[in-house]
Amino acid sequence: GIQVEQSPPDLILQEGANSTLRCNFSDSVNNLQWFHQNPWGQLINLFYIPSGTKQNGRLSATTVATERYSLLYISSSQTTDSGVYFCAVDPSWRGANSKLTFGKGITLSVRP
Amino acid sequence: EAGVAQSPRYKIIEKRQSVAFWCNPISGHATLYWYQQILGQGPKLLIQFQNNGVVDDSQLPKDRFSAERLKGVDSTLKIQPAKLEDSAVYLCASSSIGRASRETQYFGPGTRLLVL
Repeated sequence: GIQVEQSPPDLILQEGANSTLRCNFSDSVNNLQWFHQNPWGQLINLFYIPSGTKQNGRLSATTVATERYSLLYISSSQTTDSGVYFCAVDPSWRGANSKLTFGKGITLSVRP
Repeated sequence: EAGVAQSPRYKIIEKRQSVAFWCNPISGHATLYWYQQILGQGPKLLIQFQNNGVVDDSQLPKDRFSAERLKGVDSTLKIQPAKLEDSAVYLCASSSIGRASRETQYFGPGTRLLVL
């Protein structure tokens, strides 16, 4: 099946710093989503971004589908950004029975 | 609108016991997913329903796990008998159309299961 690798596995930032989180995937996709899992375990969808660039406040994401990677940018980080960031993909070839495959996540800690 | 509801939030059982989890998706969402998230890993899909039919259960350990969505709305996931390795968070998610492609999945708060 498709492989999803996220890096770095852990990241510690000082409040106000910027960061880039990376997701590499091994096959073409027609769905790529970024999620944030807060310290209480709630998973929140951040972006649906199979290609191109999107921005939402301090967060933005870029997916270069031809090179099989996606980047999540966090600017002016806040302590509430702490948690685990997951990249999840849906391989194109699965057709109607498509399903999301998640990476192992990137643990972000933002220090005040 | 109300989000995905799950209960219970926490459950502790002994191995070989049975346990059931309940999920109520966002109103109007035809697709419902159950995921298993083991500590330190990303969620893994166990089963996907569209309305009350199963779309994908290829990763569901069918010898001990079962799930149903009888009226196409809420769903239950059951484990019988539980094993130590079933300790995990069980997440329910829903989306508004049948394919994971192009659609955002909305997750519930999860049920944390500890098997002793």
